[in-house]
Amino acid sequence: NAGVTQTPKFQVLKTGQSMTLQCAQDMNHNSMYWYRQDPGMGLRLIYYSASEGTTDKGEVPNGYNVSRLNKREFSLRLESAAPSQTSVYFCASRDTGGPSTYEQYFGPGTRLTVT
Amino acid sequence: SQKIEQNSEALNIQEGKTATLTCNYTNYSPAYLQWYRQDPGRGPVFLLLIRENEKEKRKERLKVTFDTTLKQSLFHITASQPADSATYLCALPPSWGKLQFGAGTQVVVTP
Repeated sequence: NAGVTQTPKFQVLKTGQSMTLQCAQDMNHNSMYWYRQDPGMGLRLIYYSASEGTTDKGEVPNGYNVSRLNKREFSLRLESAAPSQTSVYFCASRDTGGPSTYEQYFGPGTRLTVT
Repeated sequence: SQKIEQNSEALNIQEGKTATLTCNYTNYSPAYLQWYRQDPGRGPVFLLLIRENEKEKRKERLKVTFDTTLKQSLFHITASQPADSATYLCALPPSWGKLQFGAGTQVVVTP
């Protein structure tokens, strides 16, 4: 079990470039999440997907789009990167059935720098 | 707006002592509260969940209390070890299926 995997681990973009952050989980979880983490601000929810085929905005969705490709994969796209999007991005998943339905499992993160 | 406050100052503690972290919240009526551990360069890892009707929860050397009247949770690490050095995050559900996280408190345990 790899858990939650994210690619790439590091990325440097120029302002205006686009990119997609990939996330996959092999735990058969229904819900998946994208967060960003900035110093002193904690994790902030960008988008989440309660189940395959559904997505919903979180606290800071502007400048981002998501795709829930299938049950395993949830990608985050930056269409036109801005320096304010420099951050560490975490993907997480959650099982919505069974005894441990509230805890979230996190990936290792993608460190993104926009110059 | 909903707010979660954790002490932003690092907690420096000697090995063997008890570390106590505080999580205060406003404008929530949470059904539960969670604590996560985050090591540098890694994603958070779930530690404990405590429900609104539970006063206290324990897991090995960890103890969490939850006071919905005070709107506060305390997180204790007893007999702390250098391996406990990390940042600890408190999290609450602002709505179904979501979590909102505090900024975390760094704990440094020195031998």
